[in-house]
Amino acid sequence: KAGVTQTPRYLIKTRGQQVTLSCSPISGHRSVSWYQQTPGQGLQFLFEYFSETQRNKGNFPGRFSGRQFSNSRSEMNVSTLELGDSALYLCASSSGTSPGGDEQFFGPGTRLTVL
Amino acid sequence: QKEVEQNSGPLSVPEGAIASLNCTYSDRVSQSFFWYRQYSGKSPELIMSIYSNGDKEDGRFTAQLNKASQYVSLLIRDSQPSDSATYLCAVIVGGGSNYKLTFGKGTLLTVNP
Repeated sequence: KAGVTQTPRYLIKTRGQQVTLSCSPISGHRSVSWYQQTPGQGLQFLFEYFSETQRNKGNFPGRFSGRQFSNSRSEMNVSTLELGDSALYLCASSSGTSPGGDEQFFGPGTRLTVL
Repeated sequence: QKEVEQNSGPLSVPEGAIASLNCTYSDRVSQSFFWYRQYSGKSPELIMSIYSNGDKEDGRFTAQLNKASQYVSLLIRDSQPSDSATYLCAVIVGGGSNYKLTFGKGTLLTVNP
């Protein structure tokens, strides 16, 4: 089975711009979760999509948004970029059907640098 | 109190020794627990999941869970230099369909040849 893929792998943007990241989950998985990883804050949960609906959300401002398509692929958008948004953005794939959560498998991540 | 806490390390062990990594969590109703390994510059890789009290073994890895003490640990037997990485403890916090996977800050493990 192919793993989780994320594109692009690296991005450089300037403050005020917006960015869209893409994630394709493992075949058959319907849940995609997004995380931000920084050296200071560690891995922080952004949101989870299941069957095209946002099911859970972390404590991030509204500049961070996402969506999921009928083929389970997901995109994450960050508008009005700030320097503090520089981070590794990870998506994780799971079946999404186990009550209370199940194993999540991570993609390689997108390294975003905001100048 | 942080939801998931780990010793940041670094933890240094000689090759062939047992490495012991510890994690505590605050949500008493958590039912799902995971250990991930993350090499520098790479994404986290799932190495163990545990859902019931007691031990779960997989090769050189043993996860231990004690829900009464809200404690989960990972033992790595016969540690190898290739085990040198950051180990992340993760706990499902919340219940039903309203949950999130919450990570500790990670413990950096160095295995010295």
